[in-house]
Amino acid sequence: EVQLVESGGGLVQPGGSLRLSCVVSGFTFSSYWMSWVRQAPGKGLEWVGQIKEDGSEQHCVDSVKGRFTVSRDNAKSSLYLQMNNLRVEDTALYYCVRDGDVNFRAMFDYWGQGTLVTVSS
Amino acid sequence: DVVMTQSPLSLPVTLGQPASISCRSSQGLVNTDGNIYLSWFQQRPGQSPRRLIYKVSNRDSGVPDRFSGSGSGTDFTLKISRVEAEDVGVYSCMQGSHGPFTFGQGTKLEIK
Repeated sequence: EVQLVESGGGLVQPGGSLRLSCVVSGFTFSSYWMSWVRQAPGKGLEWVGQIKEDGSEQHCVDSVKGRFTVSRDNAKSSLYLQMNNLRVEDTALYYCVRDGDVNFRAMFDYWGQGTLVTVSS
Repeated sequence: DVVMTQSPLSLPVTLGQPASISCRSSQGLVNTDGNIYLSWFQQRPGQSPRRLIYKVSNRDSGVPDRFSGSGSGTDFTLKISRVEAEDVGVYSCMQGSHGPFTFGQGTKLEIK
């Protein structure tokens, strides 16, 4: 059974930092790109960023570039999102998502349950 | 960035009746590998998104055959042949052909 379990969310003040984690099981983690997707309260889905299978390539949406970093540890089947200089508008439920492989781009076929990040003073 | 525009944003439907959601992209979605990475997701209240359709028209395993996807160019459609109570939720399209990946605003389906 495929499982993606996020953790690390919480309440943080504007300008603060948080590190989200996602532990994966049920598939060969090192064979897939992985992505983070967020959903602000009552709003739609927004892709945040992704990382290649071996961690050699990362891409993020413009609104978080320079503040968020996606990383992974294939030995631990874990995905991370380091969030710095957080803003009120980063408040959202953050999902860990299986992205793609060499044959299939942007699969987004498995999602975690999400971890809530609240940025407020 | 590719802008994905869904319509309608709210869709009240009578049980047993069909429903259709449109998704238009601001540019063509053919990837350099020749595929169109257009997916549809269902998000039931309080749940994580679930993929229903991938690459325009391929239905995921376990998805009822009353769901179908179609389209080409910049116009794509998700159709439900006969709406059931369990279909209530928000439906979103997403393009993965061009970076950054982008989602539509979401269409809220409710039972009339």
